[in-house]
Amino acid sequence: EVQLVESGGGLVKPGGSVRLSCVASGFGFDYTWMNWVRQGPGKGLEWVGRIRSKREGRTADYTAPVKGRFTISRDDSKNTVFLQMDGLKSEDTAVYYCMTVLSNCSGAVCYRYDYWGQGALVTVSS
Amino acid sequence: IAMTQSPVTLSVSPGESATLSCRVSQSVDTDLAWHQQKPGQSPRLLIYRASTRATGIPARFSGSGSGTEFTLTISSLQSDDFAIYYCQQYRTWPLTFGAGTKLEIK
Repeated sequence: EVQLVESGGGLVKPGGSVRLSCVASGFGFDYTWMNWVRQGPGKGLEWVGRIRSKREGRTADYTAPVKGRFTISRDDSKNTVFLQMDGLKSEDTAVYYCMTVLSNCSGAVCYRYDYWGQGALVTVSS
Repeated sequence: IAMTQSPVTLSVSPGESATLSCRVSQSVDTDLAWHQQKPGQSPRLLIYRASTRATGIPARFSGSGSGTEFTLTISSLQSDDFAIYYCQQYRTWPLTFGAGTKLEIK
């Protein structure tokens, strides 16, 4: 069974930092891209960033509002992906979800499976 | 890529059908997914590749469209279907979601 479990959220002051962790199980973490998606209070979903697998250099992409402030990394030995958030602003207040997209192919047909964690609340307030 | 969903809120009676729209600012071919989210829950994938139902999704959910215009149709609405629905393109980074359509009971 695929599971994604986030931890590390909480109340942070503007300008502060917090690191979220997401422990994965039930699939081949090493070769899977991992994503972070956030949802502000009463708002829609926003893709934060993604990190490629080791085979693809563990490089990461970020959405413009967080670029230069957020860093995604991974520890494949611990099946864990991290979201380091620095220079936090009030508009970063959100539930942060760890998620991944898996593909299972049978012949020429591939099936997509999305898995989400339960979310970690980060509140940026003085 | 900007995503525009309409309507913002849709009121429908159980047993009826609902049609939700998603317009994309530039062509994504069929690289579009639909997600359902209920209060306090993580999103759930319903449709990918514009029209392919995800595993375990009932046949009353159907997706159509390509390029810039997409539709999610839910037939014979059940009480469990009242939720917020998001379209999402995965053609180009950054991946983007629409603002959502809230489907509520009439």
